[in-house]
Amino acid sequence: KQEVTQIPAALSVPEGENLVLNCSFTDSAIYNLQWFRQDPGKGLTSLLLIQSSQREQTSGRLNASLDKSSGRSTLYIAASQPGDSATYLCAVANSLDDKIIFGKGTRLHILP
Amino acid sequence: GAVVSQHPSRVICKSGTSVKIECRSLDFQATTMFWYRQFPKQSLMLMATSNEGSKATYEQGVEKDKFLINHASLTLSTLTVTSAHPEDSSFYICSVSYARGTTAYEQYFGPGTRLTVT
Repeated sequence: KQEVTQIPAALSVPEGENLVLNCSFTDSAIYNLQWFRQDPGKGLTSLLLIQSSQREQTSGRLNASLDKSSGRSTLYIAASQPGDSATYLCAVANSLDDKIIFGKGTRLHILP
Repeated sequence: GAVVSQHPSRVICKSGTSVKIECRSLDFQATTMFWYRQFPKQSLMLMATSNEGSKATYEQGVEKDKFLINHASLTLSTLTVTSAHPEDSSFYICSVSYARGTTAYEQYFGPGTRLTVT
């Protein structure tokens, strides 16, 4: 059974710092891995999608990497801003049962 | 990507009543839609997979008679919470997905519906 773990559960960093969020998964049989942002009480905003054949994806200040064999992904945020404060969710799409499994998220707080 | 809407965005209902949540795919015909539930500080959990024209497939532990799903068309799926109780208070999110060629597929999420049962 696929399990997705995100570490840390919460993180506070001063504005301007670069930071890394971690995601690990137990079953490497995945179609893709996706990073989302969720603001309090809001829906999900897709940030980056990495196909199983890819190593990384970049969008603006965000870079996500995928090491499928080791079951790990990282989300790198450069030059963090207060507006980046949110919960970041990692989700994998299982290739065996077509289900998407989410981690519990990392609550990020950027200190002005 | 696909644009997905949900209605209502927030709903408060009394215990014992039923409430219907709509999920619409605005620019894409979705043969499959998914319903998720998220409790505070918990991850999203898949409740059921909604297939157009057929019965939904429910995840283990989700009561099919309590959470009625109807996928009446390629652009609309509804989730009805019947005889709602305070423990059903949660954030409900739908998504649509499609395959791109033979490789991975993406899921596009609606904005969610906050249900509060008093």
